[in-house]
Amino acid sequence: DVKVTQSSRYLVKRTGEKVFLECVQDMDHENMFWYRQDPGLGLRLIYFSYDVKMKEKGDIPEGYSVSREKKERFSLILESASTNQTSMYLCASSQTSGRAGEQFFGPGTRLTVL
Amino acid sequence: QQQVKQSPQSLIVQKGGISIINCAYENTAFDYFPWYQQFPGKGPALLIAIRPDVSEKKEGRFTISFNKSAKQFSLHIMDSQPGDSATYFCAARDRGSTLGRLYFGRGTQLTVWP
Repeated sequence: DVKVTQSSRYLVKRTGEKVFLECVQDMDHENMFWYRQDPGLGLRLIYFSYDVKMKEKGDIPEGYSVSREKKERFSLILESASTNQTSMYLCASSQTSGRAGEQFFGPGTRLTVL
Repeated sequence: QQQVKQSPQSLIVQKGGISIINCAYENTAFDYFPWYQQFPGKGPALLIAIRPDVSEKKEGRFTISFNKSAKQFSLHIMDSQPGDSATYFCAARDRGSTLGRLYFGRGTQLTVWP
């Protein structure tokens, strides 16, 4: 079974802190994604990556950056956390060939910024 | 601009009833339409998916109906059960995207009363 793991289930940070959210997948998938989920707004894509060191902006990249140094790991960075970044963050991965399109999600990290 | 519009935002159905969730899109380049199911505390997981060359796909109690000319697709849950209570997301993929990027609807929170 594909497994996508996220480093923390719950995280509490203070305004202005630098925050790292880590995601690891074990299926050798090329593509990885970071979403945030807010009630009534669904899943909004922050950033995605199709290869090591490659990244593309999603729909809401402002205030975030990402890093992909290894194929299995994709990190989301909040350079200076703000209260409006309080949200559920979901990581996903998918392969490019074959059943491209099916994304496998991690359990999410609920981030609270005080 | 929202690429995939989903309704209703919430749905309450009695056990044994039929749950229907609708989605609409404008982009004719979309070529793959999955539905994801998310239980509380979990990440979304692929439930069922359809390609635009068929009008219907059924898996157990779950059916996707697809109307290409109207650019609409819907999820029908027959004999709804309390265990079906979850948030459902429709999505679509652009055929030009080799990265497997999905555009998600805003989600429908389904509650099935026993």
